[in-house]
Amino acid sequence: QVQLQESGPGLVKPSQTLSLTCTVSGASVSSGSYYWSWIRQPAGKGLEWIGRIYITGATGYNPSLKSRVTISIDTSKNQFSLNLSSVTAADTAVYYCARGWWGFDYWGQGALVTVSS
Amino acid sequence: DIVMTQSPDSLAVSLGERATINCKSSQTVLYSSNNKNYLAWYQQKPGQPPKRLIYWASTRESGVPDRFSGSGSGTDFTLTISSLQAEDVAVYYCQHYYSTLTWTFGQGTKVEIK
Repeated sequence: QVQLQESGPGLVKPSQTLSLTCTVSGASVSSGSYYWSWIRQPAGKGLEWIGRIYITGATGYNPSLKSRVTISIDTSKNQFSLNLSSVTAADTAVYYCARGWWGFDYWGQGALVTVSS
Repeated sequence: DIVMTQSPDSLAVSLGERATINCKSSQTVLYSSNNKNYLAWYQQKPGQPPKRLIYWASTRESGVPDRFSGSGSGTDFTLTISSLQAEDVAVYYCQHYYSTLTWTFGQGTKVEIK
């Protein structure tokens, strides 16, 4: 059974870097059949796709976040990670990791990250 | 970038009645080489991650009740719940995966019981 689990600090100070890791079980991030994505959702609002990575290391990012986002992959740990720099209160959200190509078929439960001093 | 616009933002439907949600993309998501529409639909209930219902615009996810159906092509798509059940109360999102660079979601449509 495929499972994804987000982990990382739940509180980040303004101007610092938000870092999250998604640990995958039941599937391999080395599989060439899927992209691995990050998506976020501010409280009471809609879904915003942040970006994705493929096993080759190829990435795609939301243009509105591109200057601050880095997604990386660690095949040895079967994980992929998100770094979002220079955060503000507007980056407070539930962050999801997800697997997919033709849509996202598996999602993590989400990690709430609050940006506050 | 492709912008996805859903309508309405919310709707209230009586139990057993039909619910229809529309999704319009700012440019085509139909890939001519394989004649596939690169569009998915999701259902999200409070406190849960989204669940994929439909992909390729009309292919139902395994285990999804057949009262859920997707239709449309090119830039205009519809998610239909043929007979609304209490457990269908949720927010529904469309999402394109057409681009090799960026993907986007619609803003969501909240479905409630009338």
